[in-house]
Amino acid sequence: GIQVEQSPPDLILQEGANSTLRCNFSDSVNNLQWFHQNPWGQLINLFYIPSGTKQNGRLSATTVATERYSLLYISSSQTTDSGVYFCAAPRDSNYQLIWGAGTKLIIKP
Amino acid sequence: DGGITQSPKYLFRKEGQNVTLSCEQNLNHDAMYWYRQDPGQGLRLIYYSQIVNDFQKGDIAEGYSVSREKKESFPLTVTSAQKNPTAFYLCASSWTEDTEAFFGQGTRLTVV
Repeated sequence: GIQVEQSPPDLILQEGANSTLRCNFSDSVNNLQWFHQNPWGQLINLFYIPSGTKQNGRLSATTVATERYSLLYISSSQTTDSGVYFCAAPRDSNYQLIWGAGTKLIIKP
Repeated sequence: DGGITQSPKYLFRKEGQNVTLSCEQNLNHDAMYWYRQDPGQGLRLIYYSQIVNDFQKGDIAEGYSVSREKKESFPLTVTSAQKNPTAFYLCASSWTEDTEAFFGQGTRLTVV
């Protein structure tokens, strides 16, 4: 079945810095989602991005389906960006999302 | 507001007791899911339901049970057979398998 790997596992940055998080998947996918899990555990949808590039404020994401990876860009980081970022892609049956292990991001003031 | 509501937010259970976690959605989604998350880990699928009165086991269904009698509701029962039930439980829903999934705020279950 499909495997999803995220890198780096941990990232510590100063407020104002930019960052790039990567998600690799082992097989072609029909969709890919990025989530932010805040310190209270809430999973917040960031992007639903099977291919191409999308932007939402300081965040943007690019998925290159043919090369089986997706990138999440965070510009001008703020302390509220801290948390764990997950990417997830559907398994063969499509109803089951396979999750990466996450990237833990800490933004220092 | 449209969304997914999980209750309670925190739950304490004595060993040997069954407990039921509530998940309600008013998004009119057909599919609903239950995930478990352990500290520092990703999400693992417990059960999912594609449609009312139907549900399928996920990767870690042992010790759990679900029902889907109504489209908007997908309760999860953690039974006494679940050996290590202390975890964070997340409910999600989506229109279909190919569409975006949305999550509730989660329930933290602690066995004491």
